[in-house]
Amino acid sequence: ETGVTQTPRHLVMGMTNKKSLKCEQHLGHNAMYWYKQSAKKPLELMFVYSLEERVENNSVPSRFSPECPNSSHLFLHLHTLQPEDSALYLCASSQDLSVGYTFGSGTRLTVV
Amino acid sequence: GQQVMQIPQYQHVQEGEDFTTYCNSSTTLSNIQWYKQRPGGHPVFLIQLVKSGEVKKQKRLTFQFGEAKKNSSLHITATQTTDVGTYFCAGYETSGSRLTFGEGTQLTVNP
Repeated sequence: ETGVTQTPRHLVMGMTNKKSLKCEQHLGHNAMYWYKQSAKKPLELMFVYSLEERVENNSVPSRFSPECPNSSHLFLHLHTLQPEDSALYLCASSQDLSVGYTFGSGTRLTVV
Repeated sequence: GQQVMQIPQYQHVQEGEDFTTYCNSSTTLSNIQWYKQRPGGHPVFLIQLVKSGEVKKQKRLTFQFGEAKKNSSLHITATQTTDVGTYFCAGYETSGSRLTFGEGTQLTVNP
């Protein structure tokens, strides 16, 4: 375990479903992130939370909705996704915005 | 916006050969970070470089940060099969709140 726990590890959902991805960090970090990793593409930043405030929203479609209820937890709510949204979704945390990230193991999402 | 480019995209080596991946940023960086992602795994933080011209070593891995703080390299001496994976650089701009990742170099080591 890395100190950043993501659930579920795998998720298959239909385009009309609503699901949520969960991330929890046990490192006492104050910044958390969602990244999308698709095959043969660089890591794409989706959202940045610093001290529970969203500081970055990287032009992500509204069918992805983040939630950060406290500094240890981060959620990504999903609804009416498209097949091209299938990817590995990675959560990360860091002590502040500029230092090394600790990534979770990711959620492998398949949209059918 | 900031771009971070990494070359080569793929590298196949025989075990024992050296390997180098290069990273270039379109803007001056506050720091540069390197990560390794094993096949089927997640990125793992390796190191952070902050100072102009900085060189750091971790066993067989040598990391350099350019004098202008716009480029970096990772060199692995005498590769082993355990070095297999994708190596990403990530640059943090002097002003900003995001870490921008390069596309990664996928290293394959033939035993």
